[in-house]
Amino acid sequence: QSVLTQTPSVSAAPGQTVTISCSGSSSNIGKNSVSWYQQIPGTAPKLLIYDNNKRPSGIPDRFSGSKSGTSATLGITGLQTGDEADYYCGTWDNSLSGWVFGGGTKLTVL
Amino acid sequence: QVQLVESGGGLVKPGGSLRLSCAASGFTFSDYYMSWIRQAPGKGLEWVSYISTNEYTIYYADSVKGRFTISRDNAKNSLYLQMDSLRAEDTAVYYCARGDIDYWGQGTLVTVSS
Repeated sequence: QSVLTQTPSVSAAPGQTVTISCSGSSSNIGKNSVSWYQQIPGTAPKLLIYDNNKRPSGIPDRFSGSKSGTSATLGITGLQTGDEADYYCGTWDNSLSGWVFGGGTKLTVL
Repeated sequence: QVQLVESGGGLVKPGGSLRLSCAASGFTFSDYYMSWIRQAPGKGLEWVSYISTNEYTIYYADSVKGRFTISRDNAKNSLYLQMDSLRAEDTAVYYCARGDIDYWGQGTLVTVSS
């Protein structure tokens, strides 16, 4: 049981837009910045979004992030087949004194 | 460029020990706190342990507290995880990660099985 809650799976056609939600609490998302990671099977996770809505160098602007209260959202526009992956949200939890992650959302691009 | 390279994984019997290493390069290692994160086969990400830049602050997940020990050697740009009293449920790919989890290593597989 993950501390952060994500929808297990989402699917959409190429070119469409999807959003992936991440729900937490006042001890984690409510007080700290959220990051989003993309994990293609068999590889290490890669940072997509940090500080709720910032993109590291090299991440296309098709990827966006937002946070409101104790929830965060990852948006992906112009879906490509290469976007098929597992997506995780993560943040620090002040009560647990540790990093916490969502259970992951599997994105299928039909 | 930032590189994190884990090593030390392998097959170990329940109750056994293993020491993981993470070699860092491409950044000033001593300026960053570091973490270990693991992923069991087919499962999600689980944070394991955190260590501050000077080792003064260390945190562990409840699942490994009392069995795992995190440490670092800033002179060698290296992070370590000593894993004792290993259990089947510790089987996972173990990743080291920098700072606010912005860079990950490629991971090293630990399998605990008789």
